[in-house]
Amino acid sequence: QVTLKESGPVLVKPTETLTLTCTVSGFSLSNTIMGVSWIRQPPGRALEWLAHIFSNDEGAYSTSLKSRLTISKDTSKSQVVLTMTNMDPLDTATYYCVHVWGSPPYYYYGVDVWGLGTTVTVSS
Amino acid sequence: DIQMTQSPSSVSASVGDRVTITCRASQAIRSWLAWYQQKPGKAPNLLIYAASSLQSGVPSRFSGSGSGTDFTLTISDLEPEDFATYFCQQTNSFPFTFGQGTRLEIK
Repeated sequence: QVTLKESGPVLVKPTETLTLTCTVSGFSLSNTIMGVSWIRQPPGRALEWLAHIFSNDEGAYSTSLKSRLTISKDTSKSQVVLTMTNMDPLDTATYYCVHVWGSPPYYYYGVDVWGLGTTVTVSS
Repeated sequence: DIQMTQSPSSVSASVGDRVTITCRASQAIRSWLAWYQQKPGKAPNLLIYAASSLQSGVPSRFSGSGSGTDFTLTISDLEPEDFATYFCQQTNSFPFTFGQGTRLEIK
């Protein structure tokens, strides 16, 4: 059974760097068909896709946030890490770590498993 | 980036009704579209993938259609548990993008 669990700070200050960790189980991050993304959702608003990591450690990023995001993984720890620099109150959101189903790099069906999400508030 | 536009942003309906939600992509995405249902305080749940394929465990009253740039999600014979927010997402190319959501409310 595939599961993902997010962890990280509940509160960060403006201009700080946010580091979120996703611990996965039920699959290996070295598996060539695996794919893990981060998605966020501000309160009462739409979902926003942030970043994706492939088995070869390459990442794909939101165009508007690319300069602020880094996604990486530690296969031995079964963890995916997202860092976001220069946090702003507008970055207040629930951040989800998700498993993307498909056969990368050929096709992707969508998110078949979601973490519970972690809520991050940006405030001084 | 591919922009996804959903309509309507909200819709009111009654139990037993049929509802259709539309999602339009700013460029062709073949059939690489997913639909999700989200209930308050919960993570979304995959309903439809590849535009028209029903995810395992999802009731057959949910159906999807379309290809290219225009897609629809149809919910037939609405049940009380269907009142939620629905999102589309294109999975044709990175960055994957979502529609702004459609809130389905009880009339």
